[in-house]
Amino acid sequence: GDSVTQMEGPVTLSEEACLTINCTYTATGYPSLFWYVQYPGEGLQLLLKATKADDKGSNKGFEATYRKETTSFHLEKGSVQVSDSAVYFCALTSGGGADGLTFGKGTHLIIQP
Amino acid sequence: KAGVTQTPRYLIKTRGQQVTLSCSPISGHRSVSWYQQTPGQGLQFLFEYFSETQRNKGNFPGRFSGRQFSNSRSEMNVSTLELGDSALYLCASSLNSLAYEQYFGPGTRLTVT
Repeated sequence: GDSVTQMEGPVTLSEEACLTINCTYTATGYPSLFWYVQYPGEGLQLLLKATKADDKGSNKGFEATYRKETTSFHLEKGSVQVSDSAVYFCALTSGGGADGLTFGKGTHLIIQP
Repeated sequence: KAGVTQTPRYLIKTRGQQVTLSCSPISGHRSVSWYQQTPGQGLQFLFEYFSETQRNKGNFPGRFSGRQFSNSRSEMNVSTLELGDSALYLCASSLNSLAYEQYFGPGTRLTVT
């Protein structure tokens, strides 16, 4: 079945540091890929998405590129802020939405001032 | 536009009891999915409803059930609660059955004692 693997952390960085959270996947067919973010006490918010190979999703300074050859969708940001502290989930769906999202375990990101 | 709402936000039940959780999707969204989030298993897909029909179900026992009403609101029910059912239950809505973009509610925190 489908699966997503991501570093679990916690990942601790200083403000303005560069961020990379690795995500690799196994899926049948051609999945759509997502990054979701969860702030303390809240539900998940869609951060960015990519629906086909070589697509780049971007939002709020975060970027991720759909790499079919390496089955990866790494999340990057050039300069993180304290407000970026949250748990980040990589996810995919390959069933048109009907099979639901398959999530990674989540990466807890802590940004120190 | 109002987001996905879930009620109640917090719930404490005793082992053996049953519980019903409610989800109101974003206006106009017809697909509702449910997920269970626990520290050990992470986020797992429970089931998805579209136009009052369950389209798919994750790997959960029959004690977990749901339904969707004509106004797209959805409920999930867990019977004969077990301690392991303690979790955050998240509801997500999307525009239609082929939509990949899911919008999550804040979740219902269920504690089974």
